[in-house]
Amino acid sequence: DSGVTQTPKHLITATGQRVTLRCSPRSGDLSVYWYQQSLDQGLQFLIQYYNGEERAKGNILERFSAQQFPDLHSELNLSSLELGDSALYFCASSALAFSGTGGNTIYFGEGSWLTVV
Amino acid sequence: SQQGEEDPQALSIQEGENATMNCSYKTSINNLQWYRQNSGRGLVHLILIRSNEREKHSGRLRVTLDTSKKSSSLLITASRAADTASYFCATGGGAQKLVFGQGTRLTINP
Repeated sequence: DSGVTQTPKHLITATGQRVTLRCSPRSGDLSVYWYQQSLDQGLQFLIQYYNGEERAKGNILERFSAQQFPDLHSELNLSSLELGDSALYFCASSALAFSGTGGNTIYFGEGSWLTVV
Repeated sequence: SQQGEEDPQALSIQEGENATMNCSYKTSINNLQWYRQNSGRGLVHLILIRSNEREKHSGRLRVTLDTSKKSSSLLITASRAADTASYFCATGGGAQKLVFGQGTRLTINP
């Protein structure tokens, strides 16, 4: 158990709909990351928050948005869903914002399976 | 886009044998990490090697890093059925945007 909690575990929704994925980081971790894993794209970094502020942005679509709340939990909002958005969405957390040479181990949750039909 | 590229894409060996997976990357890095993912589960951090390190051990795992060749290898010795999983390398720069490769699917046959 990594200590990162994601809900829901599975979600089936129709095209055009909007869903919210929730993540609670490990106790004490200030950084939250969102990743998307699909068969054709592999693991894609979406976005990172550190202590409530956006820190880094990856391949996140404009239809997607995220935020980190004062209690450090994070939500990923996916709207106007398309079939291609079906994927496993991971939340991860770490203590630090930057890795530097010392590294900054990132701990992953079990993911939220999203199926768009 | 992927930074790390694992090789081979799939590997099937007998239990007890050693498994070696390779990872190549394109840009300079601060560190490189290896993760394991059981089917449909989250990624589990295995080991981190810094750019100024050449080799690191953790139990049955041995990781090497050659920054001149921009490559790393993960060796699992005395493999077990429970090692069956996908293995990913991930490179981290200063902004800690871990960039993952496509992974190596390792199957350990009993």
